[in-house]
Amino acid sequence: NAGVTQTPKFQVLKTGQSMTLQCAQDMNHEYMSWYRQDPGMGLRLIHYSVGAGITDQGEVPNGYNVSRSTTEDFPLRLLSAAPSQTSVYFCASSYWQAGTRGTGELFFGEGSRLTVL
Amino acid sequence: AQSVTQLGSHVSVSEGALVLLRCNYSSSVPPYLFWYVQYPNQGLQLLLKYTSAATLVKGINGFEAEFKKSETSFHLTKPSAHMSDAAEYFCAVSTYSSASKIIFGSGTRLSIRP
Repeated sequence: NAGVTQTPKFQVLKTGQSMTLQCAQDMNHEYMSWYRQDPGMGLRLIHYSVGAGITDQGEVPNGYNVSRSTTEDFPLRLLSAAPSQTSVYFCASSYWQAGTRGTGELFFGEGSRLTVL
Repeated sequence: AQSVTQLGSHVSVSEGALVLLRCNYSSSVPPYLFWYVQYPNQGLQLLLKYTSAATLVKGINGFEAEFKKSETSFHLTKPSAHMSDAAEYFCAVSTYSSASKIIFGSGTRLSIRP
């Protein structure tokens, strides 16, 4: 099992450019999420999804778009990159059962380091 | 909304000493609580979780945490530190009504002195 795969691992953008961070999981997890990690601030939730076609905002959604057309993929789009979006981005997935509403263990990708100049 | 506060951004202990990493939570409803560990240049992995069963939770690598409702705490401990425990540790919280929003603390970096 590959688990959670993020691409690219490193990216440098200029202000105003757009890009998509890819995230794919092969564990058939319903729940997927995106976090950004900044020094001294821990991980902050950007967007999450509890199934194909269902997405919602987290703590810091501004400047980011997501979609969930398949169970496996959950791309994060930056439409017009800003220096404040320089960060390490983590995708995570988990088992999700609507009846119990619980998430199990979050499985993380290895991260994507984004620099916006 | 739920939140967690981790006291101490950096903790340093000697090899063989007790490890204590502090986490306090805020939640108006019963919480689910988690500890994750991050080794350099890697993603996070689960150490242990509390989901309203036993209040003393044992995790991997000899770590454990105790849920104390009266103190709104979920501190992480390990009796004897090992050099391989050097990493960053994150406390996280969610709730039954907001199970899809898992909120992380700011993290505590653990250093181990030889």
